[in-house]
Amino acid sequence: GAVVSQHPSRVICKSGTSVKIECRSLDFQATTMFWYRQFPKQSLMLMATSNEGSKATYEQGVEKDKFLINHASLTLSTLTVTSAHPEDSSFYICSARGGWADNEQFFGPGTRLTVL
Amino acid sequence: AQKVTQAQTEISVVEKEDVTLDCVYETRDTTYYLFWYKQPPSGELVFLIRRNSFDEQNEISGRYSWNFQKSTSSFNFTITASQVVDSAVYFCALSTNNAGNMLTFGGGTRLMVKP
Repeated sequence: GAVVSQHPSRVICKSGTSVKIECRSLDFQATTMFWYRQFPKQSLMLMATSNEGSKATYEQGVEKDKFLINHASLTLSTLTVTSAHPEDSSFYICSARGGWADNEQFFGPGTRLTVL
Repeated sequence: AQKVTQAQTEISVVEKEDVTLDCVYETRDTTYYLFWYKQPPSGELVFLIRRNSFDEQNEISGRYSWNFQKSTSSFNFTITASQVVDSAVYFCALSTNNAGNMLTFGGGTRLMVKP
């Protein structure tokens, strides 16, 4: 149980385009979803926290107009990188938390974004 | 504020050696949870263990063991008889109720096990 999927697993796009990444909880309802970014050889950095039906809370330094997060249902959250630039190339990981396990997050497999 | 420090950025061992990955944490909360994750080259985070602050018992799972010492705010991870498949980046993380149970990750330790 507690499986989280991400799609796509890998995406290459041209500079200036927008990319949408989906995060789904497959067998549970995720009251909260988290988006992390991981640059090569670095740790995971939390970008934002989203609760179903409400606006996401962004961490300091993360541009909310550039990284659009939508958590429209209890099983789906999306991250849209708008007008992507090469510096946005990174590994994006989502995680989900269900109502029964406040202290545990279940991670998706990650999406590797390369912006040319 | 929470902080997790993994002082070892890279460790290289030869297969069958034992290796310990250090993790030191900081928090003012009395209720918290500590985690270890493995990140192989594929990138997917693999959950290894969760420990709450009230349970200082050490844990052993196969070749893996964890030593939780509240007195030194440490939660070290030991791999016994390491194998090449253990090569990965290992992250220690902390969450507290007062911080909304959000995870704070350490910088990670890259373990390379050579045949």
